[in-house]
Amino acid sequence: DSGVTQTPKHLITATGQRVTLRCSPRSGDLSVYWYQQSLDQGLQFLIQYYNGEERAKGNILERFSAQQFPDLHSELNLSSLELGDSALYFCASSPGSHSYEQYFGPGTRLTVT
Amino acid sequence: AQSVSQHNHHVILSEAASLELGCNYSYGGTVNLFWYVQYPGQHLQLLLKYFSGDPLVKGIKGFEAEFIKSKFSFNLRKPSVQWSDTAEYFCAVNEVDSSYKLIFGSGTRLLVRP
Repeated sequence: DSGVTQTPKHLITATGQRVTLRCSPRSGDLSVYWYQQSLDQGLQFLIQYYNGEERAKGNILERFSAQQFPDLHSELNLSSLELGDSALYFCASSPGSHSYEQYFGPGTRLTVT
Repeated sequence: AQSVSQHNHHVILSEAASLELGCNYSYGGTVNLFWYVQYPGQHLQLLLKYFSGDPLVKGIKGFEAEFIKSKFSFNLRKPSVQWSDTAEYFCAVNEVDSSYKLIFGSGTRLLVRP
């Protein structure tokens, strides 16, 4: 158990819908990273937040957005869902904004039908 | 753009066989290197990491990796695999002077036959 929690574990929704994935980092960690794992794209970095502020952006679609709240938990919002958005979404956390080690949560499996 | 290549997508070994998984990255600057393991149905776990110093690093569960800077490689090794090592293994890199996002390889699925 890494100490990073994610909810829900599984999510099934229809195309065009909007969902919110939640992540709570390890106690004391200020940085949260979101990654997408899909069969065709592999593991890809989406976005990083540090202490409430966006710090880095990767291959994140405009239909996706994220935020980090004052209690440091983070939410990833996925809207206008398409079949291709079906994937495992992982959250990771680390102590600082430039910390080398990241600890991963169990992931949320999103299925878009 | 930085990329990470894992040459073997699927590896099948018998128990007690030796393991070497290849990883190469493309970035000319300073990097940190990682191997993560994902057991079936579980989250990514850190196996080992290299930041600086001795290029031969030892991780958990008897795994080790060697950083060869001239070859841009960070291969994972284990002298004798066990059935419980069946998992997917990911090599990852982050650039020291950039965002600390991890760039992952495509992964290698290892099946160890009892």
